[in-house]
Amino acid sequence: QKEVEQNSGPLSVPEGAIASLNCTYSDRVSQSFFWYRQYSGKSPELIMSIYSNGDKEDGRFTAQLNKASQYVSLLIRDSQPSDSATYLCAPKGNDYKLSFGAGTTVTVRA
Amino acid sequence: GAVVSQHPSRVICKSGTSVKIECRSLDFQATTMFWYRQFPKQSLMLMATSNEGSKATYEQGVEKDKFLINHASLTLSTLTVTSAHPEDSSFYICSATPGLYNEQFFGPGTRLTVL
Repeated sequence: QKEVEQNSGPLSVPEGAIASLNCTYSDRVSQSFFWYRQYSGKSPELIMSIYSNGDKEDGRFTAQLNKASQYVSLLIRDSQPSDSATYLCAPKGNDYKLSFGAGTTVTVRA
Repeated sequence: GAVVSQHPSRVICKSGTSVKIECRSLDFQATTMFWYRQFPKQSLMLMATSNEGSKATYEQGVEKDKFLINHASLTLSTLTVTSAHPEDSSFYICSATPGLYNEQFFGPGTRLTVL
């Protein structure tokens, strides 16, 4: 059983602040990691992928990966009300399948 | 780029009928497509993996005779829910990938309600 644990939400942040999302995974052989955003009633939308240890920045999003600690995180800088959604952490196993965490719901207060 | 469509977006059917859902990759060839199901307030659950030209592989607990998957081309996979029952009501989402080492891109989903 491949487990993916995300910090429990909901996470409420004021507009303009940084939202910090954490994820740990149990499958040590995972090599690819993805963050998806899912708005209520909609399907997931890919926002970040990360494959190597360290940081990867894309606009207001920064993903961090530490394979030794089996940990991946997502920072959302300058949070906007449009960032209010559920964020799903999804490592890919060596069977090429994604495992999804329960998600962390973020609410950005205007 | 990387657009995946699904049709229909919403379907209501009577118990005992069959429903077909189409998943298309619009701007890339998808060697593999995945079918997920999501119940309210829950995360995505993988149902099956579909490879073009071969039989789908189903996750444990998913009835392959009930959920028929056909991946006839590199841009189209279909999921048929046969003899649907109210407990099959759910949000069905497909994803497609140009290669197993690449990202998965999700379709907009199909909301199935079985009366």
